[in-house]
Amino acid sequence: SQTIHQWPATLVQPVGSPLSLECTVEGTSNPNLYWYRQAAGRGLQLLFYSVGIGQISSEVPQNLSASRPQDRQFILSSKKLLLSDSGFYLCAWSGQAFSGNTIYFGEGSWLTVV
Amino acid sequence: SQKIEQNSEALNIQEGKTATLTCNYTNYSPAYLQWYRQDPGRGPVFLLLIRENEKEKRKERLKVTFDTTLKQSLFHITASQPADSATYLCALDNSGGYQKVTFGTGTKLQVIP
Repeated sequence: SQTIHQWPATLVQPVGSPLSLECTVEGTSNPNLYWYRQAAGRGLQLLFYSVGIGQISSEVPQNLSASRPQDRQFILSSKKLLLSDSGFYLCAWSGQAFSGNTIYFGEGSWLTVV
Repeated sequence: SQKIEQNSEALNIQEGKTATLTCNYTNYSPAYLQWYRQDPGRGPVFLLLIRENEKEKRKERLKVTFDTTLKQSLFHITASQPADSATYLCALDNSGGYQKVTFGTGTKLQVIP
């Protein structure tokens, strides 16, 4: 069966510090991968999606970036965090079929920028 | 602009009653619509998917309807239980050649014993 893991689960970072969140998927190949952010009391905001290794599309201009160095690995990074980057970050995957595929989410990472 | 609207106010219902949640959308032509459940501090979990050519879908105590003319989906939980308390999100595909799914902001359901 397929599983998705992301880490760390929680982190508190000072403003201006770097960020690296990692996500890996097991039990499937060539998945679509996503990073979402959910601010307190807000909906899910799609940040990045990837259809393959090295292929990243950004949905929202910001100081975050994403990379996909391996088929089932997705990394969210920042060189300098802002207070507004605080939130609940979710990695997710779906199959490659065009229509109707379910999105499976990781456990989430709570980021507090202080 | 494209919008997915769910009632942002919490829905409180008595245990055993049927809960009905609404998802309205504008400027989308989705091929399908999905419903997810999200518990506090957790990622959303998929519940049901309904395609544009389907009027209704059922799974145990859950029922989803999809009216592409009204641009609306209704999500029903029959015989609700306190364990059904959670936030429920609807999600649409943005169509086109890539599956890009957009989520509504969700409705928080509280089932009162």
